[in-house]
Parts: sequence; C-alpha cells; structure tokens
Amino acid sequence: GAGVSQSPRYKVAKRGQDVALRCDPISGHVSLFWYQQALGQGPEFLTYFQNEAQLDKSGLPSDRFFAERPEGSVSTLKIQRTQQEDSAVYLCASSLVWTSASYEQYFGPGTRLTVT
Amino acid sequence: RKEVEQDPGPFNVPEGATVAFNCTYSNSASQSFFWYRQDCRKEPKLLMSVYSSGNEDGRFTAQLNRASQYISLLIRDSKLSDSATYLCVVNSNTGKLIFGQGTTLQVKP
Repeated sequence: GAGVSQSPRYKVAKRGQDVALRCDPISGHVSLFWYQQALGQGPEFLTYFQNEAQLDKSGLPSDRFFAERPEGSVSTLKIQRTQQEDSAVYLCASSLVWTSASYEQYFGPGTRLTVT
Repeated sequence: RKEVEQDPGPFNVPEGATVAFNCTYSNSASQSFFWYRQDCRKEPKLLMSVYSSGNEDGRFTAQLNRASQYISLLIRDSKLSDSATYLCVVNSNTGKLIFGQGTTLQVKP
C-alpha cells in the first residue's frame, strides 16, 4: 500500500523566504510526527499530532516554525523567514496509534531544504 | 550530554565479519528501544525493536541492559548490503522518538 509521502522532495529557498512542506501520512494513521535531520546527525523531534490536535511542539526551534494538521490527515510544516541554519532534511512519520508502549513510526522520504 | 549517544564510526569491515554497535541513553524511565537503519539519502526504517530479554532476527541480535542504560546491535556474517547508518532510538514515553547520531557501517568485499 501507499506509504508516507512528502512534497516537495527538494526545496531551495533564499534567506528570508517562507516555505511550506507537506506530509501525507498513511491513510488511517492517527499520529503524525515531524523531525529535522541535519547532515551527519540523527533526526531530531520537532512536533507531534494526534489526529488534528498538536500535542507536543517542544522541538520547534523558534517561533518561525509552525505546523498544522487541520483535518487530522495531511500536515504542513511552515518555516517563516528562513535562515541558513534551517537547511536540513525534514522528515515526516506516521503511526497507526499512540501509546507509551512499542509502536512503529513509518517515515516519508523527507524534504531536503537548502537555504541560500 | 545527548540523550542517546553512539559512536559515529565509520566501521569498515570485510564481508563475513561480525560487527557490534553500542549505544547509551540517559533517561532511565525510557521504556521502548529500537534500532533503525538509514541508507544514504533515504528515510530511516525500523530494523528491530530491542527487549530486555534480547532478541534475534536472522543475522541481527539486539540486547538491552537497563541497569547500565546500554543497547547493542550485533551483525553476524555481514553482507555488502548491510552498509548503512544504524540509528539507536529511544521512545521518550511521550510519543516522540529520540535518535542517536547514528553509526556508519561500510562492508567491503
């Protein structure tokens, strides 16, 4: 079946531009996560939704970062006034359920953002 | 100090070798642990969950030592196709996954 999809796959933005990154989770998956992966590092948590509710946004690095999931399916991560340090791969993951026990998150291919 | 620490490597090994990766985590309340595999310029994919009793999946064996807050992954009879970055991952119990930096493995013919 279809996995998590993200668009665009690559984005080049001039410093100061706003960008919007889209994530289509696996159909029926309740939980959706955004991660940021800098070159040579592991992914770092940004924010998490359960259906349309944003339950944790503790990882968002600044108030320039904003995420939404208005209908509980597709999510958009928006970065305003992009800076060079925002250059990274932005990964979206979804999960069927959320519990504190083991569960699998399925990752999308990521959006590679380069800010020039 | 990072919440999950791994030796980034790279580990360069010949085909057929046995290689072991280790990882430590700082939050003693963590309950769930995983190894993910990430190929170059691809997304992470779950390799295996890690349990206190240890678990094996073919050539891969994962172990968890809660007292030492230490997780390991052993790969036996390594193949060229095992070349990748291996990410040690801890579930924070609030839903988010905490990743280590990753350990790079290169298997040479």
